[in-house]
Amino acid sequence: DTGVSQDPRHKITKRGQNVTFRCDPISEHNRLYWYRQTLGQGPEFLTYFQNEAQLEKSRLLSDRFSAERPKGSFSTLEIQRTEQGDSAMYLCASSLVRTLQETQYFGPGTRLLVL
Amino acid sequence: QKEVEQNSGPLSVPEGAIASLNCTYSDRGSQSFFWYRQYSGKSPELIMFIYSNGDKEDGRFTAQLNKASQYVSLLIRDSQPSDSATYLCLSHFGNEKLTFGTGTRLTIIP
Repeated sequence: DTGVSQDPRHKITKRGQNVTFRCDPISEHNRLYWYRQTLGQGPEFLTYFQNEAQLEKSRLLSDRFSAERPKGSFSTLEIQRTEQGDSAMYLCASSLVRTLQETQYFGPGTRLLVL
Repeated sequence: QKEVEQNSGPLSVPEGAIASLNCTYSDRGSQSFFWYRQYSGKSPELIMFIYSNGDKEDGRFTAQLNKASQYVSLLIRDSQPSDSATYLCLSHFGNEKLTFGTGTRLTIIP
């Protein structure tokens, strides 16, 4: 257990529905990342926050995806109008930025299945 | 060309032997590199990181970085069946960007 928690761990939804995932990072960590991982692939970067500011969004992130970190602590990732291609493991990671050494610690992930 | 490349494997190594995993990267601005282990259905867990040229050892694991040749490797000595997993290389480009390779699947044969 790295100290990063994600909820829910599994989500099954029907195409067209909205889903929201939550990530609680390690408490003193100032950066929080969202990744998506499909079978046989490495994690793909989606977006990240430094404190409450969203600093970068991947081009992979369509307009149906939105993420927030309102108080610089937990974060939510919402997918609107889900599609079958959204089925994946959604991983959250947090880190404490110190000079060159930024080590990310991952949560257990939320596995999404869109029917 | 992918920014971070790994041989997807599978790589099969007899128990007790040395497993060697390699990763190449394209951006010379990369500053630090991380090796993660991921068991099937689980999230990645950090093994070690390296940011200076040369070797870094931690128990049975040794990370090697060669910035001139733009590769980083992970050696696992005395391989155990519990080392069977996918190993992910993560490259830290400059101040912001982090990119994973696709991972190498390692199988340790008892």
